[in-house]
Amino acid sequence: ETGVTQTPRHLVMGMTNKKSLKCEQHLGHNAMYWYKQSAKKPLELMFVYNFKEQTENNSVPSRFSPECPNSSHLFLHLHTLQPEDSALYLCASSSQGDNEQFFGPGTRLTVL
Amino acid sequence: GESVGLHLPTLSVQEGDNSIINCAYSNSASDYFIWYKQESGKGPQFIIDIRSNMDKRQGQRVTVLLNKTVKHLSLQIAATQPGDSAVYFCAEYNNNDMRFGAGTRLTVKP
Repeated sequence: ETGVTQTPRHLVMGMTNKKSLKCEQHLGHNAMYWYKQSAKKPLELMFVYNFKEQTENNSVPSRFSPECPNSSHLFLHLHTLQPEDSALYLCASSSQGDNEQFFGPGTRLTVL
Repeated sequence: GESVGLHLPTLSVQEGDNSIINCAYSNSASDYFIWYKQESGKGPQFIIDIRSNMDKRQGQRVTVLLNKTVKHLSLQIAATQPGDSAVYFCAEYNNNDMRFGAGTRLTVKP
């Protein structure tokens, strides 16, 4: 609908698992973002990529590892997560110089 | 620290009534604001934006008001419909720094 897709939509993983979240945008944007959305809390910006280069890392623990192979794809690799990492992870994209971001539907992550 | 916040976490209105959702911000340097709507199971969706050189902007059934004196932003929805039920949150921008409010859940009663 928004031109930003995310897979999987739901993910349940144990604390020792390794998994990856995928985001793809079909809008020709050159900036992509990862956000964490927890219940009753504001969106937390995690990572920002501009033209495939990481421009922002908001003190995110190293158990979250982003990857941006090109301007259309963004991954978030997960390893040895904690239960408090359970949240909705949202991907967004925008054009450079444009503040409006287009969000994907999110991946609902549950860490057991 | 400076933050973006909402006055009410929940708002319940009758179908057909007007809704007003409020947002307080504390960074006087913020120069751009966006209201987002997030329906259950979906990502946030842009509704309307406003720059700090304006105090009012209208869209289709929605109006955003900006009061820089008291650092207050509001979203007005006219003739609220069941499809308007969602979480609404504001975002403030200052250069490349953006912050989001926690959100207000709007429920429309038939």
